[in-house]
Amino acid sequence: GAGVSQSPSNKVTEKGKDVELRCDPISGHTALYWYRQSLGQGLEFLIYFQGNSAPDKSGLPSDRFSAERTGGSVSTLTIQRTQQEDSAVYLCASSPGAGVSTDTQYFGPGTRLTVL
Amino acid sequence: QKEVEQNSGPLSVPEGAIASLNCTYSDRVSQSFFWYRQYSGKSPELIMSIYSNGDKEDGRFTAQLNKASQYVSLLIRDSQPSDSATYLCAVRRISGGYNKLIFGAGTRLAVHP
Repeated sequence: GAGVSQSPSNKVTEKGKDVELRCDPISGHTALYWYRQSLGQGLEFLIYFQGNSAPDKSGLPSDRFSAERTGGSVSTLTIQRTQQEDSAVYLCASSPGAGVSTDTQYFGPGTRLTVL
Repeated sequence: QKEVEQNSGPLSVPEGAIASLNCTYSDRVSQSFFWYRQYSGKSPELIMSIYSNGDKEDGRFTAQLNKASQYVSLLIRDSQPSDSATYLCAVRRISGGYNKLIFGAGTRLAVHP
């Protein structure tokens, strides 16, 4: 079946502008995660949605970052007033659901964000 | 101390050799461990998961887990140039009903012909 999809694949924006990044998880997956990966670095957790529960926002680096998940499926990560340090690849992952120790995350292709 | 630590490498091995990738973690209660492979410019893909002490084999890959030493490793037998990538170790943290993976920074593997 279809994997996790993300759009756009690349986004170039000017400092101070707002951007929206979209993630379509694998159908039926109840958990959705956003990560950020700066050049040559590991994955930095941003936010996690599980079903209808309140999201775990503990990884969001500032209040300029927010995310929502509509209808338990598609998610949008919004970055307001972008800064150059926001430049990175933003990865989305989904998994069948929490509460299962064998729950496995599958990643989308990512959105490369460049802030000029 | 980082929650998940890996040697950044690069680890360079000749084609056909065994590549050994290591990872240590700090949270003693962790129960689930994962190895992801990430080619340059691509997203991570799952190679192996391991939940119990000991070895788990899948083709040329073997994951080893030692919870007492808080150590997990990945062995790649008969390494091929196509194995050249960054290997990310991830540990599941479950806290307060939330469930997330904590990733190491990754080890870059280079297999040379």
